Amino acid sequence: EAGVAQSPRYKIIEKRQSVAFWCNPISGHATLYWYQQILGQGPKLLIQFQNNGVVDDSQLPKDRFSAERLKGVDSTLKIQPAKLEDSAVYLCASSGKRGYLGNTIYFGEGSWLTVV
Amino acid sequence: AQSVSQHNHHVILSEAASLELGCNYSYGGTVNLFWYVQYPGQHLQLLLKYFSGDPLVKGIKGFEAEFIKSKFSFNLRKPSVQWSDTAEYFCAVNANYGGSQGNLIFGKGTKLSVKP
Repeated sequence: EAGVAQSPRYKIIEKRQSVAFWCNPISGHATLYWYQQILGQGPKLLIQFQNNGVVDDSQLPKDRFSAERLKGVDSTLKIQPAKLEDSAVYLCASSGKRGYLGNTIYFGEGSWLTVV
Repeated sequence: AQSVSQHNHHVILSEAASLELGCNYSYGGTVNLFWYVQYPGQHLQLLLKYFSGDPLVKGIKGFEAEFIKSKFSFNLRKPSVQWSDTAEYFCAVNANYGGSQGNLIFGKGTKLSVKP
């Protein structure tokens, strides 16, 4: 079974530039998550989708971050303009039914962003 | 709000030593508990999880964890570590709403280095 696919794996940009990350979840998974993992910290949820609707985006810095999942399958996370503190690994994850007890969340390998 | 504390930032052990990684959470209600592992250069993988029932949970690769409700703890153990266990370990928790679950909150992680 194919896992969660993410691209690009690595990106270096200058501050104030923009960047976009793409994610393709495990086939059939309705729930998709974007997490931010800053060096030395655990992953922090940015946004959660159920199909193509947003379930939780309370920790997404909406002045610069945006995400979409138009067809309820793959998703894009954009940062514009980037700041130095956005340097992190952006993890995409997916799971089956939303909130179903016992659901396991599967993670992709992450997209490493360095802002200089 | 829920939070997760992992007591050790970096643990260094020799092969065959026993391992215990501490994890405490703060949340007054019913929780689901998880340990994830991230091997160097790889994605986060689920080691084990607890939802209900026997508080001693066995996971993959000889790991186990014990849920002690009175102590709000879910410590990870392995009787004899191997060099291949070198990785970063994350404890995570989400609220159990009796059929659905809240968002996953991660600890900061514990880096384990096993000397051959």
